[in-house]
Amino acid sequence: DSGVTQTPKHLITATGQRVTLRCSPRSGDLSVYWYQQSLDQGLQFLIQYYNGEERAKGNILERFSAQQFPDLHSELNLSSLELGDSALYFCASSVAGVNPQETQYFGPGTRLLVL
Amino acid sequence: QKEVEQDPGPLSVPEGAIVSLNCTYSNSAFQYFMWYRQYSRKGPELLMYTYSSGNKEDGRFTAQVDKSSKYISLFIRDSQPSDSATYLCAMSAPSNTGGFKTIFGAGTRLFVKA
Repeated sequence: DSGVTQTPKHLITATGQRVTLRCSPRSGDLSVYWYQQSLDQGLQFLIQYYNGEERAKGNILERFSAQQFPDLHSELNLSSLELGDSALYFCASSVAGVNPQETQYFGPGTRLLVL
Repeated sequence: QKEVEQDPGPLSVPEGAIVSLNCTYSNSAFQYFMWYRQYSRKGPELLMYTYSSGNKEDGRFTAQVDKSSKYISLFIRDSQPSDSATYLCAMSAPSNTGGFKTIFGAGTRLFVKA
C-alpha cells in the first residue's frame, strides 16, 4: 500500500459526460501528479501540482482540468468524454516535486470506461 | 517518433536467468532516468533511478545509462517468478515552471517461469 488513495476505483459513463476523479496524497507529500495509462499510449504524464499550484504540464487535453485543494487532495475533471478517454488514471504523490529523483508513490488507479 | 522507445515484449525467461531490459530516447534534455515495476492491476512502483551516465546497483538489479547513445538498461540477475511484471523506463526533464515532466516507455512485460 503506497499511502495514496484514489476514488472511485471504477467508473462507467457515457460519451459526452463529465466525471471527477479524486486523489489523496500520502501524508506529508505536497506534490501530486496525474497520469493516464491506456493500451495504445502507455503511461502518460498529464499534470503536476505542488502545494496548490500547477507546477508542470504534460499531454493534458483541454477537456481535462485538475486542481489541488488546500488540504492537498487533488481532483481531475474530465469533460465531454470520448470513447478514447477510456483508460486507467493514476495519481502519484511525492514530498516536494522539485527534483525528478524524488520517489513518486502511485495510487491504485481509477479505471474509467466510456461507453 | 516517440521520445522514449521500449519494446513491449512479452519477454519470457526461465527462473535464474539474467534479464536485460532496454529503452532508447531522443530528447537530450532528459536528466534523470528511472525504472518502475508494475504488477497487474497495481500502480507503478519505483525500482531505481540514475542521474547521468554510469551504472547503479541495488541487490539483483543494475541500471545503466549511456547518455552518449541515449540508451538505458535494467539488468535483473537470478530472476525469480516474483519478478514477473511490466517494467517501465521513465525519464525526466525540467519544465519551465519549476517542476519537471516525466515521460514513460511503453513498458516491457516480463514472465519468469519457475
